[in-house]
Amino acid sequence: GENVEQHPSTLSVQEGDSAVIKCTYSDSASNYFPWYKQELGKRPQLIIDIRSNVGEKKDQRIAVTLNKTAKHFSLHITETQPEDSAVYFCAANRDAGGTSYGKLTFGQGTILTVHP
Amino acid sequence: GAVVSQHPSRVICKSGTSVKIECRSLDFQATTMFWYRQFPKQSLMLMATSNEGSKATYEQGVEKDKFLINHASLTLSTLTVTSAHPEDSSFYICSARDREDRGYYGYTFGSGTRLTVV
Repeated sequence: GENVEQHPSTLSVQEGDSAVIKCTYSDSASNYFPWYKQELGKRPQLIIDIRSNVGEKKDQRIAVTLNKTAKHFSLHITETQPEDSAVYFCAANRDAGGTSYGKLTFGQGTILTVHP
Repeated sequence: GAVVSQHPSRVICKSGTSVKIECRSLDFQATTMFWYRQFPKQSLMLMATSNEGSKATYEQGVEKDKFLINHASLTLSTLTVTSAHPEDSSFYICSARDREDRGYYGYTFGSGTRLTVV
């Protein structure tokens, strides 16, 4: 099955700096890569996603890049703010129907702390 | 947008009892729902895939007789933790898949259930 590795496990930055979180995946057939932000005790919230036919996607301060050849994708947050502090999870999915229909495999998570 | 409701949000039960958790898709029909478990400071681990009108598919290492899943309608899936023990204490969270496959709404998560077994 799919295996997703996420690094770093913790990341501490100063307000205004950029933060980068990286993930690698093992299944070359994976074609959907979402990123989630989870605050303590709450549900994961989708913040951005990318599909395998696209190399980069940006939404205001957040961007995701995908390198299919190397099987890795990254989350970039610019101009970080204290409210960006949370746990971030990457995930991968091979949405090709059958038994892999909709199964998300998550990375281990990154605790991001943005210091004022 | 797609909304998934999960109840209860918190439950405390005695060891040996059973607990039922409900996951409802409020504004779409869900052929498939997913149940995850998240231990403190850990990632989400898929427990099982719930399919409307058929048996659930369990991930390796998940006891199907302990974690009973019922997906009797296109808007409701339930997870019953039977004979709960303290090691079952965790954050359980569901995710529903839109039957119409409109974008990736199916990955919307419920609000989660904090289960504490004492």
